[in-house]
Amino acid sequence: EDQVTQSPEALRLQEGESSSLNCSYTVSGLRGLFWYRQDPGKGPEFLFTLYSAGEEKEKERLKATLTKKESFLHITAPKPEDSATYLCAASTSGTYKYIFGTGTRLKVLA
Amino acid sequence: DAGVIQSPRHEVTEMGQEVTLRCKPISGHNSLFWYRQTMMRGLELLIYFNNNVPIDDSGMPEDRFSAKMPNASFSTLKIQPSEPRDSAVYFCASSPGQTRTTEAFFGQGTRLTVV
Repeated sequence: EDQVTQSPEALRLQEGESSSLNCSYTVSGLRGLFWYRQDPGKGPEFLFTLYSAGEEKEKERLKATLTKKESFLHITAPKPEDSATYLCAASTSGTYKYIFGTGTRLKVLA
Repeated sequence: DAGVIQSPRHEVTEMGQEVTLRCKPISGHNSLFWYRQTMMRGLELLIYFNNNVPIDDSGMPEDRFSAKMPNASFSTLKIQPSEPRDSAVYFCASSPGQTRTTEAFFGQGTRLTVV
């Protein structure tokens, strides 16, 4: 069965304290690995797509990487406005659907 | 483009009543998804359509749930009769199609409370 698992469930960081979020996936034929940010009361907002092992994408303080088994979202020198829930999702070849992990709730303290 | 539009944003209803959630996908997108989000289970895919045709409804909890997509610009998710355990945030999402660069774009969600 296709599965996506995220860790940790919650993370508290001091402003400027870098860290990484993990997304492990077990799917039959990865078509794409997606990262989203979700703020309270809003829908998930797209951040990155990764397609193959070794690929990296960056946006401001965020950097996403992909291996054959997992993806990491690295947050460098985070700020309070980076506080949100970060979701990853896998899309598998032959289907149109996206399988989501349960997310990591990130809180960055000033 | 205004993005994916869902209505209503909030719905409070009594157990046993019929509830209809609405979604307008982004123009030109070929795929549409209905998700349910709860604290316990996260985002669960209920059903998805491609070119207005339901492709996989294996995530629909039971016969009380039904979804339609009569045309490329409108979809509904109906719950009849509603139960308290249906309380959740329901999201609609759309994607451009089955290309390598496809990602899904989400609406703001409908928060459903069944009392």
